[in-house]
Amino acid sequence: DIQMTQSPSSLSASIGDRVTITCRASQGIGSFLAWFQQKPGKAPKSLIYGASSLQSGVPSKFSGSGSGTEFTLTISSLQPEDFATYYCQQYRTYPFTFGPGTKVDIK
Amino acid sequence: QVQLVESGGGVVQPGGSLRLSCAASGFTFSNFDIHWVRQAPGKGLEWVAIVSNGGTSGFYAESVKGRFTVSRDNSKNTVYLQMDSLRPEDTAVYYCTRVYYFDYWGQGTLVTVST
Repeated sequence: DIQMTQSPSSLSASIGDRVTITCRASQGIGSFLAWFQQKPGKAPKSLIYGASSLQSGVPSKFSGSGSGTEFTLTISSLQPEDFATYYCQQYRTYPFTFGPGTKVDIK
Repeated sequence: QVQLVESGGGVVQPGGSLRLSCAASGFTFSNFDIHWVRQAPGKGLEWVAIVSNGGTSGFYAESVKGRFTVSRDNSKNTVYLQMDSLRPEDTAVYYCTRVYYFDYWGQGTLVTVST
């Protein structure tokens, strides 16, 4: 199975900060990488697919990059509604696997 | 608009069975693979299974293989997850979602396996 790791596991940031989360795959997955945002008690929400394609309706402050084994999710200017847990997911090979999540909270 | 609605969760004893449903609307259901993803309380996300758009093939996580069966009825726009031989570690919120990169999700249904 492909193992996904994320760093950091949590971070504290202020409104307006630029935030970057890193996701690494245990083997190359091309661009078959998605990012999700999840708030407590809610279903995950799709942000990015294909490593860098923005899901319809998602604001452009979110961006993704990378290919192969290393990927990043960037939030250009953190807003109150962005405090949540973020997950990456590979869909190159079954079983599809998720990273353990990065919790973003208020400093 | 695309909607996925899960139902069928509840409390079941270890060794018991439960069938979850995922009702879809707002898109051409028969064109899309459907996945199940679960989340144990306070934990991360775990992919569980996929059923192909025609219902002819499915894949499962090792943790549920041989105990869970996914199927679909395209005439009813519904996917099912039959869960047998349930274990306490199957306790989770179960979500259905579509396509490889999970663009839309249901609200989830809670399954609790406990005595």
